[in-house]
Amino acid sequence: NAGVTQTPKFRVLKTGQSMTLLCAQDMNHEYMYWYRQDPGMGLRLIHYSVGEGTTAKGEVPDGYNVSRLKKQNFLLGLESAAPSQTSVYFCASSYSSGGDATDEQFFGPGTRLTVL
Amino acid sequence: GQQLNQSPQSMFIQEGEDVSMNCTSSSIFNTWLWYKQDPGEGPVLLIALYKAGELTSNGRLTAQFGITRKDSFLNISASIPSDVGIYFCAGSSSNTGKLIFGQGTTLQVKP
Repeated sequence: NAGVTQTPKFRVLKTGQSMTLLCAQDMNHEYMYWYRQDPGMGLRLIHYSVGEGTTAKGEVPDGYNVSRLKKQNFLLGLESAAPSQTSVYFCASSYSSGGDATDEQFFGPGTRLTVL
Repeated sequence: GQQLNQSPQSMFIQEGEDVSMNCTSSSIFNTWLWYKQDPGEGPVLLIALYKAGELTSNGRLTAQFGITRKDSFLNISASIPSDVGIYFCAGSSSNTGKLIFGQGTTLQVKP
């Protein structure tokens, strides 16, 4: 049981390049999330998904797109990378949002992205 | 939008001391979670709170869900070097599962 995994772990891009970050979970969770973490700002929600085939915008969605074609995978895309997108990206998943233990989000190890 | 204010921003303490940190919100939350993040890793859940007034312990950690549902605190007793890391509070008030995170408290422990 690997939990939440993310690939790649590190990436350096040039401004304008595109890339896709992959998140996979093997816990049969319905909900998946993408966050970015910047110094002194905690974690901010980019996009999330409440089930296969559905996605929704979070707090800072601009410049990112996501897809949830399979329940276990959640992809984050950057179409045209900008230096402001230099950050650490975390994926998380939860069983549901029932106001109980099903709310608990489990995080992946993160992807460190630098945009030059 | 909703915001969480977490304090203190950082702490530098001596091994063996107790630690206290808290989060406050301008709006009501139904769930409070406390996470710890080690360097280079993702956050790991420490304690989850689901009822106003709830007091929950996990080893040397104790957390409480404030009566007003707008605040929560985390205490660490008898700190040890491996307690070093960033501690985040997170709250949820909707049925979408979305969490709002505090800015984090960076804890350093001097042996």
